[in-house]
Amino acid sequence: SAVISQKPSRDICQRGTSLTIQCQVDSQVTMMFWYRQQPGQSLTLIATANQGSEATYESGFVIDKFPISRPNLTFSTLTVSNMSPEDSSIYLCSVEARDRFNGYTFGSGTRLTVV
Amino acid sequence: QKEVEQDPGPLSVPEGAIVSLNCTYSNSAFQYFMWYRQYSRKGPELLMYTYSSGNKEDGRFTAQVDKSSKYISLFIRDSQPSDSATYLCAMTPSSNTGKLIFGQGTTLQVKP
Repeated sequence: SAVISQKPSRDICQRGTSLTIQCQVDSQVTMMFWYRQQPGQSLTLIATANQGSEATYESGFVIDKFPISRPNLTFSTLTVSNMSPEDSSIYLCSVEARDRFNGYTFGSGTRLTVV
Repeated sequence: QKEVEQDPGPLSVPEGAIVSLNCTYSNSAFQYFMWYRQYSRKGPELLMYTYSSGNKEDGRFTAQVDKSSKYISLFIRDSQPSDSATYLCAMTPSSNTGKLIFGQGTTLQVKP
């Protein structure tokens, strides 16, 4: 399976600031996915990041709030902009587990607390 | 109504018990089904993946899918304290969208 490194693992941020989360994969992948897991809730897809094109956002998520970069086939960043306490969540990136579909692998997540 | 329903528990069992975890879903288009294990303060770990209906076994874990009933299960045999975690079911209609629909997760505690 692909191995994902995600940074930072956690952060405490002031409201109104922005945080950029990095996701590095040990192999080239076409698509990378960003999820949010709010406290006590399940995972929700934020957006899909393809190399060389604009990210595709799910309903309820907008580029101004969650800008995404995908400069190459092994790396992506998610920025949480103008943060409020409601943005306190775990943010996770995900890729397909193997070349042939066999589920999806997740990074260890970034635990964000906004104060 | 949520697309995927999963009893959040918590579920507490003695060591060595057989554990049954379940999810129901409403979207008949779902074809790919996954179970994840998530330890506290960690990312979800893929346990089992099943395509369409049927059973799949991997060590102490068995995944079952009944598409006619829109019902999936994960069985854990000879449960161990190290199995204590939150178990999430996830599903998707297509293998190339990356959009997984997750259940809420069931918290399992296996007592020594």
